[in-house]
Amino acid sequence: QVQLQQSGPGLVKPSQTLSLTCTVSGGSISSGSYYWNWIRQPAGKGLEWIGRVYSNGNAEYNPSLRSRVTISVDTSKNEFSLKLTSVTAADTAVYYCARRGDLWGQGTLVTVSS
Amino acid sequence: EIVLTQSPGTLSLSPGERATLSCRASQSVSTYYLAWYQQKPGQAPRLLIYSASSRAAGIPDRFSGSGSGTDFTLTISRLEPEDFAVYFCQQYGSSPLTFGGGTKVEIK
Repeated sequence: QVQLQQSGPGLVKPSQTLSLTCTVSGGSISSGSYYWNWIRQPAGKGLEWIGRVYSNGNAEYNPSLRSRVTISVDTSKNEFSLKLTSVTAADTAVYYCARRGDLWGQGTLVTVSS
Repeated sequence: EIVLTQSPGTLSLSPGERATLSCRASQSVSTYYLAWYQQKPGQAPRLLIYSASSRAAGIPDRFSGSGSGTDFTLTISRLEPEDFAVYFCQQYGSSPLTFGGGTKVEIK
């Protein structure tokens, strides 16, 4: 069955760029009318939608993060990615990738610290 | 941006009891674009309900969703031990997608 596997560093220094990748296995990222999300959750808090991308490359972002976020898709690698620039401690959270809302990655704890 | 307010913040119930969770939106949400999730500690959220009232694959029928417009409800008819968790609502019809703050269902 389709699975999402996240990869990327768990520690990022302040002012640097957070980069995560979500690889789709067991199916094609281009099949179906899906969109592919990034969502984050600070420890003990609620869920925040970061943005989404479609297989054609069209992306939408949360206005609160838009100036710092890029979400892209690579259909040849069957993966999509998140880049968040100029990170601060406030960006420390568990980051999730998700297909719409029905399929989620395992989550990656990203800590912003020097 | 559509703000979702969930109540109560915490619900203390016993196994076998009925749980009723509320999600109120700051503006009308298309019925087709309201979801409910369950999250347990250390796990990713799990989709329970989509389109306000449709159960996701593999979700037991003790979970049901209802509502329209700005008021939505998740009902768990008889709580099982594995149902004690945090529940979030989400609207996905209007960008930015938004989540409610969550309701924790704890054992009384």
